[in-house]
Amino acid sequence: AQTVTQSQPEMSVQEAETVTLSCTYDTSESDYYLFWYKQPPSRQMILVIRQEAYKQQNATENRFSVNFQKAAKSFSLKISDSQLGDAAMYFCAYRNAGGGSNYKLTFGKGTLLTVNP
Amino acid sequence: NAGVTQTPKFRVLKTGQSMTLLCAQDMNHEYMYWYRQDPGMGLRLIHYSVGEGTTAKGEVPDGYNVSRLKKQNFLLGLESAAPSQTSVYFCASSRRAGQSNQPQHFGDGTRLSIL
Repeated sequence: AQTVTQSQPEMSVQEAETVTLSCTYDTSESDYYLFWYKQPPSRQMILVIRQEAYKQQNATENRFSVNFQKAAKSFSLKISDSQLGDAAMYFCAYRNAGGGSNYKLTFGKGTLLTVNP
Repeated sequence: NAGVTQTPKFRVLKTGQSMTLLCAQDMNHEYMYWYRQDPGMGLRLIHYSVGEGTTAKGEVPDGYNVSRLKKQNFLLGLESAAPSQTSVYFCASSRRAGQSNQPQHFGDGTRLSIL
């Protein structure tokens, strides 16, 4: 079974600075997808960014980017120019590619990000 | 655009009571899921459905039942609530997994307390 590990239960960053959240995963599959979800105090689960394992290029979405290291099974999230609204719990998630029983998301336990003004 | 709607948003039950959580999606998604979120545990899959009339067990299915009589609705039932089922419950939906990297879309969650 796949596992996702977020080794940082909590992180903090100063407003306007950059922070990196870590995520590692374990899988024997070669094709899969990785996601970062944000959960603010409102409890919504908001998709931040996604990465296909077959793509070497790291995904970016405005101030959010990932560092995907397939061989190391690492998928870190970098938030640039941090804003107060970035304060949230961040979850890393994994899903196998393809159909059948491969649609289930496996989540890490989350990293609570605090943004200090 | 409603997306995924969960009802109710909050509920308090007594041990042994039963209730049903409703999830509705308007995106014509084939797949639907129920998760529970507990402190320090992340989200764990309870049950899921790959289509109307089909359901399957996830990671933590004990004490729950589900039904998917209509494509847009996925119901989660607690027949005899226990304090261990105090949690925040999330419903999600997605297109068929084989279609690219379709993410799951989540509802806003239901906070359930069992006394």
